[in-house]
Amino acid sequence: DIQMTQSPSSLSASVGDRVTITCRASQTISIYLNWYQQKPGKAPKLLIYAASSLQSGVPSRFSGSGSGTDFTLTISSLQPEDFATYYCQQSFRSPRTFGQGTKVEIK
Amino acid sequence: EVQVLESGGGLVQPGGSLRLSCAASGFTFSSYAMTWVRQAPGKGLECISTITDSGGSTYYADSVKGRFTISRDNSKNTLYLQMNSLRADDTAVYYCAKDSSSGWRNFDYWGQGTLVTVSS
Repeated sequence: DIQMTQSPSSLSASVGDRVTITCRASQTISIYLNWYQQKPGKAPKLLIYAASSLQSGVPSRFSGSGSGTDFTLTISSLQPEDFATYYCQQSFRSPRTFGQGTKVEIK
Repeated sequence: EVQVLESGGGLVQPGGSLRLSCAASGFTFSSYAMTWVRQAPGKGLECISTITDSGGSTYYADSVKGRFTISRDNSKNTLYLQMNSLRADDTAVYYCAKDSSSGWRNFDYWGQGTLVTVSS
């Protein structure tokens, strides 16, 4: 299975901050990398697919980059509703594995 | 509006069985692969089983292979997960998720989840 490793596991940030989360795959996955946001008690929500494509309806402050094994999710200006846990997922090969998650908390 | 709605969760004893259902609406169900994803309490996400649009091909994670069976009834727009020989480590929220039409094998719609608790 392809292992996905996110860093950091958690971070504290303030409203308006620029936040960056990284995700590394254990082998090359081209751009088959997706990002999801999950709030407590809710299902995950797709934010970014194919490494950098913004899902319809997702605010433009979210962006993704990378290819091969190294990827980044950036929130350009953190908003109150962005405090959540973020997961990367590779969809290059089954099983479609997720990273362990990054919890973004209020500083 | 696309909707997927899971049901069938509950408390079951170790070694027992449970059948989850996922009712879909708002899209052409028979055109999309569907996946069950679970999340143990306080833990991350795990894809445990996928079925192709026609139902002709299935995938299982090693953790559930031989115990769980995924199926679908395209005439009823419903996805199923038959879970047998349940263990304590199967305790989780189980989500059904729809493959997107983008071709990038991501999940664009998720249900709200149904909780399965395996305990004596």
